[in-house]
Amino acid sequence: SAVISQKPSRDICQRGTSLTIQCQVDSQVTMMFWYRQQPGQSLTLIATANQGSEATYESGFVIDKFPISRPNLTFSTLTVSNMSPEDSSIYLCSYWDRENNEQFFGPGTRLTVL
Amino acid sequence: AQKITQTQPGMFVQEKEAVTLDCTYDTSDPSYGLFWYKQPSSGEMIFLIYQGSYDQQNATEGRYSLNFQKARKSANLVISASQLGDSAMYFCAMREGLTGGFKTIFGAGTRLFVKA
Repeated sequence: SAVISQKPSRDICQRGTSLTIQCQVDSQVTMMFWYRQQPGQSLTLIATANQGSEATYESGFVIDKFPISRPNLTFSTLTVSNMSPEDSSIYLCSYWDRENNEQFFGPGTRLTVL
Repeated sequence: AQKITQTQPGMFVQEKEAVTLDCTYDTSDPSYGLFWYKQPSSGEMIFLIYQGSYDQQNATEGRYSLNFQKARKSANLVISASQLGDSAMYFCAMREGLTGGFKTIFGAGTRLFVKA
């Protein structure tokens, strides 16, 4: 399995600002996913990011608020734009390992918006 | 409609006993996979076990087994010989095939408390 890392691991931000979260995988993967986990809640899929195409967003999530880039097969970014306290969550990137039928997750980015 | 349902918000089990965490799912995709993840207080997502929709045998991984009942659309996790370190949040998840966009979605989770 590939190693997956995220930066930053945590951040405290002011409302109205934006934060870009980076996700790096140490081998090429086709599908990458971004999830949000609000405090005490389960994981909610934000979008699927495939290289060379626009991300596919889930209901309730829009590109203007959560723009995603996928410039190559090992890297993706998620931006949380114009943040409000309701955006305080853990954001996780993930990829699907087809060979092992396993979905791996990064360590998460813990975001607090004041 | 909920695609993954975990009806037990919290469960208690005595150390060394077995515990079953319930999960039901809903899909019309003939090809899907079912997962269980453990999330300790540190927040990392730890993969436990996988069951494919075409698998004939129930999946097992050490102390974890998945009781897969396809007709009932249930995929319960059984943890045998519980240990104090098993105290954590447990999520059931489903990855659908083509009709579901190859996405993995999660249930609400069950918090397991192991008592000494």
